[in-house]
Amino acid sequence: DAGITQSPRHKVTETGTPVTLRCHQTENHRYMYWYRQDPGHGLRLIHYSYGVKDTDKGEVSDGYSVSRSKTEDFLLTLESATSSQTSVYFCAISEQGTGVSPLHFGNGTRLTVT
Amino acid sequence: KNEVEQSPQNLTAQEGEFITINCSYSVGISALHWLQQHPGGGIVSLFMLSSGKKKHGRLIATINIQEKHSSLHITASHPRDSAVYICAVSSPPNQFYFGTGTSLTVIP
Repeated sequence: DAGITQSPRHKVTETGTPVTLRCHQTENHRYMYWYRQDPGHGLRLIHYSYGVKDTDKGEVSDGYSVSRSKTEDFLLTLESATSSQTSVYFCAISEQGTGVSPLHFGNGTRLTVT
Repeated sequence: KNEVEQSPQNLTAQEGEFITINCSYSVGISALHWLQQHPGGGIVSLFMLSSGKKKHGRLIATINIQEKHSSLHITASHPRDSAVYICAVSSPPNQFYFGTGTSLTVIP
């Protein structure tokens, strides 16, 4: 299995609080992604990174920011959590991008915003 | 409008049956991915293919680029194959689209 660790695995937080989710990889892959998974929507891309300090938005990026200061770490921040951000969040990595390399997923973080 | 459509949405099979899950897409692609998600959440990459056919154990994935269609076959199905199977496509330059998944239950 690809070395991908997400933390925390579960989190309950209150509306309006900031939350940071961490994705750590040991594979030295260039591409890292944050997805959310909701019933009826499947997986949707929030943000992705194609290198250190190189990030771009996905289809559901509003309310989220990311940072990648090291190859191995990709952080997802909810600046002010809302109930609509209750979801399961998956980090994924890809060696050369999804057009030529498979995706490897972390085990997910279940976030509940009350 | 969904760029990736899977069918069926839900599938129940008896152990030992041959199973087919279909995926159709509407965009140009550089690769198609099949993923498996077990209850409890972990997602595993099964196949990545851009042409032809790939086989891994009892799993076979095929793709027809002209028809924009892929199939995932499971031979001699087993209860441990019960999972959600997700089709996804990489579309240049940077897009990646997921289907909503096919939930498979294999009954002993």
